[in-house]
Amino acid sequence: GNSVTQMEGPVTLSEEAFLTINCTYTATGYPSLFWYVQYPGEGLQLLLKATKADDKGSNKGFEATYRKETTSFHLEKGSVQVSDSAVYFCALRDTSGTYKYIFGTGTRLKVLA
Amino acid sequence: EPEVTQTPSHQVTQMGQEVILRCVPISNHLYFYWYRQILGQKVEFLVSFYNNEISEKSEIFDDQFSVERPDGSNFTLKIRSTKLEDSAMYFCASRTSGGAYEQFFGPGTRLTVL
Repeated sequence: GNSVTQMEGPVTLSEEAFLTINCTYTATGYPSLFWYVQYPGEGLQLLLKATKADDKGSNKGFEATYRKETTSFHLEKGSVQVSDSAVYFCALRDTSGTYKYIFGTGTRLKVLA
Repeated sequence: EPEVTQTPSHQVTQMGQEVILRCVPISNHLYFYWYRQILGQKVEFLVSFYNNEISEKSEIFDDQFSVERPDGSNFTLKIRSTKLEDSAMYFCASRTSGGAYEQFFGPGTRLTVL
């Protein structure tokens, strides 16, 4: 079945550092791809999405590009802030059935001042 | 902006008790989902529901779980006899019938089984 693989965390960065969180997927067809962010004790917030190959999703300085050739959707941000500390989940929308979402294991990001 | 709501935000129960988690999906949505996130782990699909019946369920969704849409607005998840390992955050989601099939998630209910 379809699946998502995310890089292991935690990732610890200094403020203003460059962030990359890797995400690759295995899927039949071309699923929509998502990044969600979860702050401590809170729910899931959609950060960005891409629905087809070469689409770039962006929001709040975060970007991710849907790469069909490498089946990847890596999350990047040029300059992280302490307030970006959270857990980031990569997800895909299943390509058949009920179009359920399949999530990666999550990557915890800690940004130090 | 319409949003999915869930109640309660936190539920504490004793092992073996029944719990009902409630969700109010966005009003024109037709597909409904429950997901579970055990503390520190990934979000896992439990069940999807359409046209008053289960359309897909995961292996987690065993006979202890049930879902229903008792009226035109609520969507509930019932756990008949809770176990310690049911302690988790439960997210409800809903979507429309077409478009990009994007799901909208509620804020979650944290279930603690003692």
